[in-house]
Amino acid sequence: DAGVTQSPTHLIKTRGQHVTLRCSPISGHKSVSWYQQVLGQGPQFIFQYYEKEERGRGNFPDRFSARQFPNYSSELNVNALLLGDSALYLCASSLAVTGGSGPQPQHFGDGTRLSIL
Amino acid sequence: AQSVAQPEDQVNVAEGNPLTVKCTYSVSGNPYLFWYVQYPNRGLQFLLKYITGDNLVKGSYGFEAEFNKSQTSFHLKKPSALVSDSALYFCAVRDRGDYKLSFGAGTTVTVRA
Repeated sequence: DAGVTQSPTHLIKTRGQHVTLRCSPISGHKSVSWYQQVLGQGPQFIFQYYEKEERGRGNFPDRFSARQFPNYSSELNVNALLLGDSALYLCASSLAVTGGSGPQPQHFGDGTRLSIL
Repeated sequence: AQSVAQPEDQVNVAEGNPLTVKCTYSVSGNPYLFWYVQYPNRGLQFLLKYITGDNLVKGSYGFEAEFNKSQTSFHLKKPSALVSDSALYFCAVRDRGDYKLSFGAGTTVTVRA
C-alpha cells in the first residue's frame, strides 16, 4: 500500500509569496496532521484535521492555514512567506484521532522542503 | 503545557553494545508517549508508544522503552545496537486531554562497526 505522499518534494520561494503544500494520507486514514521541522530541531505541530474539521492548532501565525478535503487529502497554505518559514514540512496521517487502544500512531510522509530566498 | 527534553544531542556506541536514548517529559495530566526515528531526507517512522499498563513497551526493530512516572522519563533502549540503527531519534508526548503532539529536539545515534 502507498504511504503518505507529499508534493512537491522541494520548493523555492521568495519573501512575501504564497505557497500551497499538498498531502495524500494512507488509504483509510481520516486524520491528517501538519508539522514544521526546522533544521536541527524536532517537528513543531501546526494543525490536525479529522473528518474535514480542524481538531488542533499549534502556535503558528494566521499566515498558516489548512484544510482537508472529502477524500481526506489536505493542503497547507502559507501566506506572506518569511525567511524563517524555511523548513521541512511534514504531513502525517492516522486511522483516527483516538482509537480504542489510545491514540493511533502517525505515519509520516517524506516532507516538502521549502526554501525562502 | 507539554514538553519533551532529550538531554543528549548525540549518542555513540559500538555495534553489539547496548543503546540507550534518554527522554524526559512534562505534561499537566497523564501522558501518551512515543518514539520515532528519522533517516536522512525521510519522514519519521513510528517505533513504539506507551498508552497505559506495563511500563516496559516493546516496539519495532528490537527497540523497547521504559516508562517511569516518578522520574517522568521514557528512555529508549536496544540490547544490541546495529550499524543500521544510526539515525535521528525523537521522543514525543501528548497530554490525554489534547490533540497536539510535542516532539523533543532529537538525538543523533551513531553506531560504529
